[in-house]
Amino acid sequence: EVQLLESGGGLVQPGGSLRLSCAASGFPFSIYAMSWVRQAPGKGLEWVSTISGSGIRTYYADSVKGRFTISRDNSKNTVFLQMNTLRAEDTAVYYCAKDPGSTPYYFDFWGQGTLVTVSS
Amino acid sequence: EIVMTQSPATLSVSPGERATLSCRASQSVSGNVAWYQQKPGQAPRLLINGASTRATGIPARFSGSGSGTEFTLTISSLQSEDFAVYYCQEYSNWPPLLTFGGGTKVEIK
Repeated sequence: EVQLLESGGGLVQPGGSLRLSCAASGFPFSIYAMSWVRQAPGKGLEWVSTISGSGIRTYYADSVKGRFTISRDNSKNTVFLQMNTLRAEDTAVYYCAKDPGSTPYYFDFWGQGTLVTVSS
Repeated sequence: EIVMTQSPATLSVSPGERATLSCRASQSVSGNVAWYQQKPGQAPRLLINGASTRATGIPARFSGSGSGTEFTLTISSLQSEDFAVYYCQEYSNWPPLLTFGGGTKVEIK
């Protein structure tokens, strides 16, 4: 059974940093691309970033490019999202999601999400 | 950037009735569309990929159709557990700029 467990969310001041983690199990982790998708309170879904199975290729939404960095540790079946220079508009539930292949497509499994609140 | 527009924003349907949800892309995305269901307080769940392929474990009452710029999700006979928000998503761009529609809320009439 595929399981994705996010952690690392919390309250942070504008301009601050936060690192999210997603521990995966139940599938051959290093084969699949992994993504982060966020949802602001009461709003729709927004793709944030994807990393290839090998970790060599990364992709970002324009709204986070230059501020967020996605990475993965295939030895620990974990994907990370380092978020710097946070803004109020980054406030959202951040979901870790598995891609069905090695490059970004759609998301066949999702974690339960971790809430990030950017506020002073 | 491709814009995905869903309509209607809210759909009121009685249990047992058919629900038809629409998703329009601002430019052709071929058949590269997925649909998700999200219930309150839960993560989204994949329903459909490739515009018409049901994901594993998804009941046959869910069906997807369309290509190019016009896509439809149909729920043939609504069950109580189907009242939720539904999102479409395109995955045709390269390099990827994956975009979601704004969602359609299916509520009990």
